[in-house]
Amino acid sequence: KNEVEQSPQNLTAQEGEFITINCSYSVGISALHWLQQHPGGGIVSLFMLSSGKKKHGRLIATINIQEKHSSLHITASHPRDSAVYICVTPTGNQFYFGTGTSLTVIP
Amino acid sequence: ETGVTQSPTHLIKTRGQQVTLRCSSQSGHNTVSWYQQALGQGPQFIFQYYREEENGRGNFPPRFSGLQFPNYSSELNVNALELDDSALYLCASSYTGLAGFDEQFFGPGTRLTVL
Repeated sequence: KNEVEQSPQNLTAQEGEFITINCSYSVGISALHWLQQHPGGGIVSLFMLSSGKKKHGRLIATINIQEKHSSLHITASHPRDSAVYICVTPTGNQFYFGTGTSLTVIP
Repeated sequence: ETGVTQSPTHLIKTRGQQVTLRCSSQSGHNTVSWYQQALGQGPQFIFQYYREEENGRGNFPPRFSGLQFPNYSSELNVNALELDDSALYLCASSYTGLAGFDEQFFGPGTRLTVL
């Protein structure tokens, strides 16, 4: 069993739809990262959060430390949002990666 | 402020050879982490260096080793290459201070192919 589970694994949405990607983890953490990886490999850090909610443009990330769950929301999705979204938990001196969610937004 | 850079971008080696990958951290960062991402898989944590010392390691054999230099740039060395070492190798730099670990910034990666 992975320490970090993401759902769904694959997601196809129409442009403009509201999207939610979930991340559940079993390890004790102090913070969680959401990363975006585009085809070709480039990784961009979207958020690092340890409590509550963060918003950046059309992206919103929430975390509930007690429930060990985080969500990434994309409002008014756009084809350029098509990418793999990965949650990462640094725990002690280790990093645990979620399995990734592959998002395709269709025009 | 320059971002995280990695070199080379692509590399082809044969089984049994040794390889060195390089990473320049973002200015002001003192921590670098290395990851291996096989095709179609998520990244796997190799190790992290903080102030020139290994500060955590994933489930990788000793033939994966690293260095961090006083300017906080870093190298990943892999000895006795195996076919399964073919992957995208990513480094990420961050600042670790009294508040603990901070957000990571990723380099573009080095794609290693082992034939």
